[in-house]
Amino acid sequence: DIQMTQSPSSLSASVGDRVTITCRASQDIRNDLGWYQQKPGKAPKRLIYAASSLQVGVPSTFSGSGSGTEFTLTISSLQPEDFATYYCLQHNSYPPTFGQGTRLEIK
Amino acid sequence: EVQLLESGGGLVQPGGSLRLSCAASGFTISSYAMSWVRQAPGKGLEWVSAISGIGDSTYYADSVKGRFTISRDYSKNTLYLQMNSLRAADTAVYYCAKDLVQVARYYFDYWGQGTLVTVSS
Repeated sequence: DIQMTQSPSSLSASVGDRVTITCRASQDIRNDLGWYQQKPGKAPKRLIYAASSLQVGVPSTFSGSGSGTEFTLTISSLQPEDFATYYCLQHNSYPPTFGQGTRLEIK
Repeated sequence: EVQLLESGGGLVQPGGSLRLSCAASGFTISSYAMSWVRQAPGKGLEWVSAISGIGDSTYYADSVKGRFTISRDYSKNTLYLQMNSLRAADTAVYYCAKDLVQVARYYFDYWGQGTLVTVSS
């Protein structure tokens, strides 16, 4: 199985900050990666697909980049509603595997 | 509007069985692959099982293979997960998720709200 390693596991930031979350794959997954946001008690919501394509309806403050084994999710200016847990998901190789999550908290 | 509504969760003893349902609306489940993804309390996401939108190809995580069975009822537009020989480690919120295409590619674009399964004596 492909291992997805996210960093950091948690992050404290303030409204208006720029934050970056990284996901590293244990082998080349091309650009077969999505980013998901999950708020407490809610289902995950897809933000990014194909590593860098923004899901319709997601604010342009979110962006994704990377290919191969290293990927980043960037939030250019944190809004109060962005405080949540973020997961990456690789779907290049079976079985699909998630990163362990990054909890983004208010400083 | 696409909606997924899970049901069937609850408290079950170790070794017991439970069947989860995921009622879909706004699309036809035969046109898309569907998956179950679970999340243990306070933990991350784990893919559990998938079924293709065409044919009857099914896929399972090693942790549930031989114990869980995924299926669907086209007439009810509903996805199921039959869970047998349940263990404490199966305790989790179970989400159904829609794929973007008919073959299982794990492009999860819509998710249900989840149903909690608790395995405990």
